[in-house]
Amino acid sequence: EAQVTQNPRYLITVTGKKLTVTCSQNMNHEYMSWYRQDPGLGLRQIYYSMNVEVTDKGDVPEGYKVSRKEKRNFPLILESPSPNQTSLYFCASSFSGLAGNQYFGPGTRLLVL
Amino acid sequence: AQKVTQAQTEISVVEKEDVTLDCVYETRDTTYYLFWYKQPPSGELVFLIRRNSFDEQNEISGRYSWNFQKSTSSFNFTITASQVVDSAVYFCALSGAQGGGSEKLVFGKGTKLTVNP
Repeated sequence: EAQVTQNPRYLITVTGKKLTVTCSQNMNHEYMSWYRQDPGLGLRQIYYSMNVEVTDKGDVPEGYKVSRKEKRNFPLILESPSPNQTSLYFCASSFSGLAGNQYFGPGTRLLVL
Repeated sequence: AQKVTQAQTEISVVEKEDVTLDCVYETRDTTYYLFWYKQPPSGELVFLIRRNSFDEQNEISGRYSWNFQKSTSSFNFTITASQVVDSAVYFCALSGAQGGGSEKLVFGKGTKLTVNP
């Protein structure tokens, strides 16, 4: 089944404790992206990747890191999480950048205490 | 900078009513893409439609239709004969031209649609 998977789905952590949210797709997509969703703010793009080893900042990259060492994986790293990073995170992928249909993962709900 | 405005925060209708969700966008790109996504109460994001800036034809898919007007920078979404299952948050989004250095996707803040039986 074609899908985008994210792990974990739910996470409670404390300020400053490094964490990684994994994202994997099995559709051989070139483009992958991370978004955060907050009440009243909609979805905002954090980082995106056009292909392996190619990443770029979205609108809200501060406090986040990403890497794209393999085509299928695009982990989101929070080196020192803070409470303002409490949010719902979505990973997405598409075959050919934003001209293609983006498939979204199920979301990861993160709470930083 | 690119911007998407969905002025309607929440809409409530009774089943079988028609409802239009408004989307107004701003961009300096001459080539761009517009999208609509649906987020039902279960939380997943579902792609509904993509439109490129050169294609101003309206589109109909079952009970859904989209009206793209470059003259007013609008990409409105109409649901005909709404159903309870249409209850969701709907997001309009905008991106720059593929390969033009603008692979960012900017979302509106969403419109929450509630369809009551």
